[in-house]
Parts: sequence; C-alpha cells; structure tokens
Amino acid sequence: GENVEQHPSTLSVQEGDSAVIKCTYSDSASNYFPWYKQELGKRPQLIIDIRSNVGEKKDQRIAVTLNKTAKHFSLHITETQPEDSAVYFCAARGNQFYFGTGTSLTVIP
Amino acid sequence: DTAVSQTPKYLVTQMGNDKSIKCEQNLGHDTMYWYKQDSKKFLKIMFSYNNKELIINETVPNRFSPKSPDKAHLNLHINSLELGDSAVYFCASSQVTGTEAFFGQGTRLTVV
Repeated sequence: GENVEQHPSTLSVQEGDSAVIKCTYSDSASNYFPWYKQELGKRPQLIIDIRSNVGEKKDQRIAVTLNKTAKHFSLHITETQPEDSAVYFCAARGNQFYFGTGTSLTVIP
Repeated sequence: DTAVSQTPKYLVTQMGNDKSIKCEQNLGHDTMYWYKQDSKKFLKIMFSYNNKELIINETVPNRFSPKSPDKAHLNLHINSLELGDSAVYFCASSQVTGTEAFFGQGTRLTVV
C-alpha cells in the first residue's frame, strides 16, 4: 500500500511568519493530494487539495506544491495567525486515502 | 444537514465486550472508510468499502468487521474489545474518483 511520510511532527512559529509542512509518498499511482486541518476535539476538515496534473495551487494564505517526479508535496501557510494552530495532515489517494503522521502547528501570538 | 454522522460520540465499555459504531452519509458517495486515530493523533486506515470492493488494512485484527447494509451506511463491529482498542474512530466518505473525504465527528472509544 501507499506510505506517506510527513515532517515536521511539531512546528512552532511566531504570528505573521510562514509555516511549511512537507510530505512524501511512495505509490506513483496516487493522483490526488488533500490537506486536512484538525482542531482539538474535532474532525479533520479539508483546507486545500491538489491533483497530479497540477504543480501548484493557492487559496489566500495557503498554498500547496506538488512534485510528482520526486513524489513530494508541501503545504505553505503565510502570515500565520493564532487560529491556524491545529494538527495538519497530508494525504495521498490511490485506491484509498493514506494519511501522513500529522504536524502539530502552534502559532505564538 | 449533517453530511457524515456517526453514533455514538462517546463509548465506554469493559474489556471483552462486543460493540458497534454506526455511520451514515447523505452525500450520495459511493465509498466509505473507517479510520482509527490513536493518542499520538495518527490517522490509520482500517477499511474502505464501496459496492464492489472491501479493502482491509492487513494490520487490522479480525475482531474488527465492517458491515454495510446499504450504500449510505458502513457500521463498525468490534468483538472482544481490548484496552489497546481505545482510540477515536472516524468514519468518512468520498466518491470513488479523486475527491476529498468527508469525516464524521468521531467516536471516542474507551475500553476499561
């Protein structure tokens, strides 16, 4: 099956700084790469996604990049705010959704 | 309207018991999933199921079994519960082609 690795596991940034989370995957058949945000005690919710035929996608302060050749993709959050504090998961979809191990992001006011 | 709903939200039970968690989706999706999230927050796929195929993660003990009475429901049955089964279990659904998975609110299972 797919193996998704995610780094770092924890990340602290000052408010207003940028945060970058990186993921790699193993299955070249994976073609859809969503990112989820999970706040404490709540369900994971989609924040942005990218398909395999696109290299970059941006939505306001968040962006995702994908390098299919190298099998890695990244989440970029600019101008971080305290409400960005949460656990973020990357995922890769082939025949199932496989999730990375999560990154606990803390934005320090 | 709740897109993916699961019940109960909390479940406390003794070791050795058998329990079920129910999941329903009203999105018209054709694929449903069960994930286990442990204390380290890892989201591990347990099962995915559509009307054609059940994919079982090989690490899932056979005490766990999914049951789908129809396309909108995928229930999780757990036999002979063990302490290590304590976790939050999430149901999710999606279309078979590459779109996002929608999650239920989770069921926190505590085995004592």
